Amino acid sequence: KAGVTQTPRYLIKTRGQQVTLSCSPISGHRSVSWYQQTPGQGLQFLFEYFSETQRNKGNFPGRFSGRQFSNSRSEMNVSTLELGDSALYLCASSLVRTGVSGANVLTFGAGSRLTVL
Amino acid sequence: AQKITQTQPGMFVQEKEAVTLDCTYDTSDQSYGLFWYKQPSSGEMIFLIYQGSYDEQNATEGRYSLNFQKARKSANLVISASQLGDSAMYFCAMREGPSGGSYIPTFGRGTSLIVHP
Repeated sequence: KAGVTQTPRYLIKTRGQQVTLSCSPISGHRSVSWYQQTPGQGLQFLFEYFSETQRNKGNFPGRFSGRQFSNSRSEMNVSTLELGDSALYLCASSLVRTGVSGANVLTFGAGSRLTVL
Repeated sequence: AQKITQTQPGMFVQEKEAVTLDCTYDTSDQSYGLFWYKQPSSGEMIFLIYQGSYDEQNATEGRYSLNFQKARKSANLVISASQLGDSAMYFCAMREGPSGGSYIPTFGRGTSLIVHP
């Protein structure tokens, strides 16, 4: 079956612009999480969506937002881009959102690499 | 405090040899899950292996095994018979219940593994 698809894979923006990233989860997966990965901070949790509702949010400013559609596809938006927003943005989906079993493993997409100039 | 600690920023191993990547974790939950992911230079995080806190046996998946020492709170990844394609970043992650982390996986900073021919 198809994996997690993220688009676009690469993009370059300038400071002050905004960007929208898209994520299509594995079919049947209802939980979608977003992570920011930078060399300095590592993998940081942005937010999680389940059934079109944001369930958890990481410690990021309000410029970072997201949403989930009825087909579980998710988008994240970053407004007023800053140089420090340059990162690999990873989307992951899982079958369910609660529980700690192996059935809840996150499946990641290939990421969207954002460069802010 | 760091919930997941990977103390080895970089590791080198000769092809066909075994290598152990260290991971220690911190949680007060009794029920939790531990995961290892591989991230090649392409960026996608690939799930390798899972260990549940109540699992008495160490998890194994092909050439990967997890050396789980609950009392020491360590979950080291062992890769047997290393291959050149194993060169990548390796991340240890933990998923706790609602009292610890609301099921949001926490990732370590990663270990870069380079396999020499």
